[in-house]
This record gives sequence, structure tokens and C-alpha cells, in this order.
Amino acid sequence: ILNVEQSPQSLHVQEGDSTNFTCSFPSSNFYALHWYRWETAKSPEALFVMTLNGDEKKKGRISATLNTKEGYSYLYIKGSQPEDSATYLCASHRGAGGTSYGKLTFGQGTILTVHP
Amino acid sequence: GAVVSQHPSRVICKSGTSVKIECRSLDFQATTMFWYRQFPKQSLMLMATSNEGSKATYEQGVEKDKFLINHASLTLSTLTVTSAHPEDSSFYICSVTSGFYQETQYFGPGTRLLVL
Repeated sequence: ILNVEQSPQSLHVQEGDSTNFTCSFPSSNFYALHWYRWETAKSPEALFVMTLNGDEKKKGRISATLNTKEGYSYLYIKGSQPEDSATYLCASHRGAGGTSYGKLTFGQGTILTVHP
Repeated sequence: GAVVSQHPSRVICKSGTSVKIECRSLDFQATTMFWYRQFPKQSLMLMATSNEGSKATYEQGVEKDKFLINHASLTLSTLTVTSAHPEDSSFYICSVTSGFYQETQYFGPGTRLLVL
């Protein structure tokens, strides 16, 4: 598949809960996988750029893992806070021979709402 | 990361008029800028890639004569929607990149266009 799929589409959790969501992307011609956090009325903010199979990246309470062979990435949020409420986007970045095609293909996003 | 602004944030226009949207990289020399469009409940869809001083590369299905892109400097790109129609109503968002490894894209806050 060449589409990027994210699940679930939306998620409601209580403050303090840990949560995770999935991004499926084309495993062929993999170059990088990007995660963004997009709060309403603001610019999407880059969270992670992941390039290596098995890679795990962490930023505060947010972490992400990558499986390039099967084409999926998980984003985890530990101890969710209301300020984590946002849309989380992943984007597939493809290339060949170590050279990027230069374009990102985005999933539809997962809308996270954290209730106090 | 880079700070990117877009102007206007919202615009309402009559059918048949042209609308210009500006994307500025405030603290970053952007060799490449991207223009995306997002319809309700859909993902960000790449419209075109522009490199400073050269013609934009349009994605399949995007009319270059309708969506005019000018990238005259390393800090400014403009998208002009010519002879806008109600079906052009959408959310338009730009991003910039330095073109370096991993090529994180930094986004503006977007422009909401409504064509009556």
C-alpha cells in the first residue's frame, strides 16, 4: 500500500492514562517516518523523525517506535495531560539509494482528547 | 525549528476572484517550500513543491494555471488561487525545509479559504 493509515481516528482518555496510537506506512522505499503534533489554531509541530528499523525516540512523556520492515510506528503518551490534547499526524517519507523523494505523505491523524 | 507565518489566516471571497496567500519563513532560509491542502476529515495533501528561483513542481491532479506559486526569495512563497470557485474552499498550509538530512518540514499555521 502507498497510503498512510492512522488508528484510531479519535481517542478520549482521562488525565493520567497512558495511551498509544498506530501509523501504518509503505515499507518499500523507506526513507524516514515523521510524527507531528497539531494543536487547534496552531502550526503542526515536529515531534520525531525516525529513520532506523527498531528505533525508539523519546521526548518527555511521548515516545515512538519504528518497524520499517512491516511498515508501522507506534506513538505512546505516558500519563496523559489535558495539554496533550491535539491531533497527532504521521507522515511517510520515501526515497531510494539514500536519496529522499522530497515529499511527505500524511495520514489523517489521530485526534486525542484528554479529559481532566 | 523554523518559524513560519502565513497571511491571511482566513479569507472569504466571491466566486471568480483571485486570492493570494503568503508563506514566510521568519528565521530560516528555506530552499524548498511545500503547499498542502486539507479538506474536512481528510489528510494533508501535497499540492506542489517550490524551490527558490525555479518553477514549482505540481502533484498530479493539481492545475498549475489555477494555483500559481511564486518562490521569489528564500523567505517568501506565495500561492495564488485564480478564479476561485466554491470547490476551492479548503484549508491551505505551507511548510519549509532546508533540504538537509531527514528534511524536517516546519509548518505555517494555515489559511482557511471560503469561496462564496
